[in-house]
Amino acid sequence: QSALTQPASVSGSPGQSITISCTGTSNDVGAYNLVSWYQQHPGKAPRVLIYEVTKRPSGLSNRFTGSKSGNTASLTISGLQAADEADYYCCSYAGSSCYVFGTGTKVTVL
Amino acid sequence: QVHLVQSGAEVKKPGASVKISCTASGFTVTPYYIHWARQSPGQGLEWMGILNANGASRTYAQSFQGRVTMTTDTSTNTVFLELSRLGSDDTAVYYCAKAAPGASWVDPWGQGTPVTVSS
Repeated sequence: QSALTQPASVSGSPGQSITISCTGTSNDVGAYNLVSWYQQHPGKAPRVLIYEVTKRPSGLSNRFTGSKSGNTASLTISGLQAADEADYYCCSYAGSSCYVFGTGTKVTVL
Repeated sequence: QVHLVQSGAEVKKPGASVKISCTASGFTVTPYYIHWARQSPGQGLEWMGILNANGASRTYAQSFQGRVTMTTDTSTNTVFLELSRLGSDDTAVYYCAKAAPGASWVDPWGQGTPVTVSS
């Protein structure tokens, strides 16, 4: 199972919106509406931002939104803040109880 | 509050095995699923497998099959990851994470266990 493809880095200024893509195949991202997104700050464990493509855990900021088209899922961060500077990973169900992570994207707030 | 508490850092020689624990705090682990993932230095996350914490089933990523074992000790509310035949490319931080039955996402994650493989 190959890792899902994400851009290595994305940057934006405070207040702007950025979008991170996550490209898989018809066997994972394209086959299931079971994509989740995780944020990881340096030296910390990841935390979930989005699950089942578009859903947000209770209490999470609505600045984070998820979507999917075909084999590509996307995470949009609006109103970019300094605290959003972190690594972001997508994850998709790939069938047969298996999962696959994306390659990860480093977000820089300029 | 719901937490997963992992065992401490390990240093192993090539060819050895390592066993990492992940203890549930604030909940009983058996109705849930526990995922394991690792992160090599400066690299991304790699999914290793999933354990039904009642012990009924487990699925391992193909790249680890044959040298990974995931188990549960219900008496201590703890799950374990054992990885054998370690090589230098197994140097990584290993994470456990909780999933509800039927859920495709995990929360929370353990704090991570660094494993260093060096001669």
